[in-house]
Amino acid sequence: QGHLVESGGGVAQPGQSLRLSCAASGFTFDIYAMHWVRQAPGKGLEWAAVVSHDGTNINYAESVKGRFIISRDNSKNTLYLEMNSLRLDDTAIYYCARSMAGIYDAFEIWGQGTMVTVSS
Amino acid sequence: DIQMTQSPSSLSASVGDRVTITCRASQSITTYLSWYQQKPGKAPDLLIYAASSLQSGVPSRFSGSGSGTDFTLTISSVQPEDFATYYCQQTYSTPFTFGPGTKLEIK
Repeated sequence: QGHLVESGGGVAQPGQSLRLSCAASGFTFDIYAMHWVRQAPGKGLEWAAVVSHDGTNINYAESVKGRFIISRDNSKNTLYLEMNSLRLDDTAIYYCARSMAGIYDAFEIWGQGTMVTVSS
Repeated sequence: DIQMTQSPSSLSASVGDRVTITCRASQSITTYLSWYQQKPGKAPDLLIYAASSLQSGVPSRFSGSGSGTDFTLTISSVQPEDFATYYCQQTYSTPFTFGPGTKLEIK
């Protein structure tokens, strides 16, 4: 079935950086596209970024483009989100999610989320 | 960007009721439409993919239909564990936008 565990969340000041990790287990990591989705407190879901199974195809939401970097290390079964120039409105729970297959497929497995709070 | 809308934004239902939630895309997304259920404090769970395919392990009282721009999620007989927020999402093109959600509450 598969399991995803996010880590790296915490409190940061505006302008600072954080790096999130998502450890995958129970499935063959390197054949699936992976996503980051965030949810601000009390709000809906916002897709943030996707990386293809081999890391060659990457896309971002406009709200994070140029500030966040998604990457993966298939040898470590781990997905990353490098978050730079953090803003107050980046405060959210960040979920990693595994696609059913490729980039354009539904999000089949979700982690439990890690909270990022940006506050001065 | 493709905009997703949902209606209603909230609804009250009793156990055993039939419930339908509507999702509309701002342009055709063929059948690149998924439905998720989210309970408070939990991550979303995939219910329906490709507009009408039931995810493994999801009860058969859930069903999805539609193509193009108009989609529906139907719960044939609402159970106590179904009270949650439901989101539609398009994966036709990036950014992969979600609808604003529909909160299903107990009447």
